[in-house]
Amino acid sequence: QKEVEQNSGPLSVPEGAIASLNCTYSDRGSQSFFWYRQYSGKSPELIMSIYSNGDKEDGRFTAQLNKASQYVSLLIRDSQPSDSATYLCAVILDTGRRALTFGSGTRLQVQP
Amino acid sequence: DTGVSQDPRHKITKRGQNVTFRCDPISEHNRLYWYRQTLGQGPEFLTYFQNEAQLEKSRLLSDRFSAERPKGSFSTLEIQRTEQGDSAMYLCASSSGTSGSFRNEQFFGPGTRLTVL
Repeated sequence: QKEVEQNSGPLSVPEGAIASLNCTYSDRGSQSFFWYRQYSGKSPELIMSIYSNGDKEDGRFTAQLNKASQYVSLLIRDSQPSDSATYLCAVILDTGRRALTFGSGTRLQVQP
Repeated sequence: DTGVSQDPRHKITKRGQNVTFRCDPISEHNRLYWYRQTLGQGPEFLTYFQNEAQLEKSRLLSDRFSAERPKGSFSTLEIQRTEQGDSAMYLCASSSGTSGSFRNEQFFGPGTRLTVL
């Protein structure tokens, strides 16, 4: 089992729809969770961090964390073609560490 | 520009040559990280510095790889005797943080794309 798992996609949604991206992780003691967006050929860009159970909203983005289920998700409302990218889930798996462990990413395609 | 910077952006080398990459973190950040990313995969952790101290190293960091952060400012990553399998994007990230806090938002530089022929 991979430490951080994501569906590779592609996830295709029409413009204006809600895109839902999911991630599961293996270490129940994890405390820090992040979503990065990566355009082709570019480096990852941090879009959300979440540390507590529940929802965290920032503009069109909502991160959801459920530590009991070891599950973190990202919702993108009113999806735009410019949101088409690979979304990487990253977790700090051990509270004594600082390194991010990434999933392999989910490719999102927003159809105009 | 106050973000993380990396140099060079692209490097093409022949197998067996040594290469060195540089990373300049965000100025107020005390933590610096190196990751490697290959096509279709998420970044993989290589090593981490807090100030000038190298505190974590991945098993991916073989003895051909060495990283330094003299004076706790910029960092260099050197790969000796490069192999074709070293071809990847090498990413640097930085963060600020305090002991005891698990909040650790890492910001990435543009990366150095290495091609080993």
